[in-house]
Amino acid sequence: EADIYQTPRYLVIGTGKKITLECSQTMGHDKMYWYQQDPGMELHLIHYSYGVNSTEKGDLSSESTVSRIRTEHFPLTLESARPSHTSQYLCASSSFSQNIQYFGAGTRLSVL
Amino acid sequence: SQQGEEDPQALSIQEGENATMNCSYKTSINNLQWYRQNSGRGLVHLILIRSNEREKHSGRLRVTLDTSKKSSSLLITASRAADTASYFCATEGGNNRLAFGKGNQVVVIP
Repeated sequence: EADIYQTPRYLVIGTGKKITLECSQTMGHDKMYWYQQDPGMELHLIHYSYGVNSTEKGDLSSESTVSRIRTEHFPLTLESARPSHTSQYLCASSSFSQNIQYFGAGTRLSVL
Repeated sequence: SQQGEEDPQALSIQEGENATMNCSYKTSINNLQWYRQNSGRGLVHLILIRSNEREKHSGRLRVTLDTSKKSSSLLITASRAADTASYFCATEGGNNRLAFGKGNQVVVIP
């Protein structure tokens, strides 16, 4: 099992709420990623980071933001959640030497 | 797009049978990886094959890579009910990021 943890696992919230999805890893990986995945569909990269104070937008445009103040922590924030944000969010990490990604269990977000 | 495209997208087999799925991609790659995802969970890395390799084995898994056809196949031999999952190929190109395909749903019937 990979040492990467996401909380919460499930979240149901109302429109307009601010939320933060947590992701932490204990493997000392420099690279971290956030993906968005609808049920039965492919993964879309929305944010990535190659180290502390480094964040980049991914291939899929997202209204969320991320921060990387500590190596092990890569939270994702939605300032004002909307029903279109309903999806599963997966966090992953990898080392620089080998681009094998280790995934958390995911956060399933429902915005009503 | 670099994304891999798996084929078939859904496969249902009896326990003990072999399962084969294919992945095609569009541009040159550094390596290709296969991942498994159980329902509602994150992905788990299965195997990585580099662009200069043609075949790789890991336990009951066999992966082939044909860079001239830009395609890869994943074979699971002697399937078990626990192999029921979605299987994704992911290609790493020059930007060192992974591009995932749509996934392949495999159901192994006991």
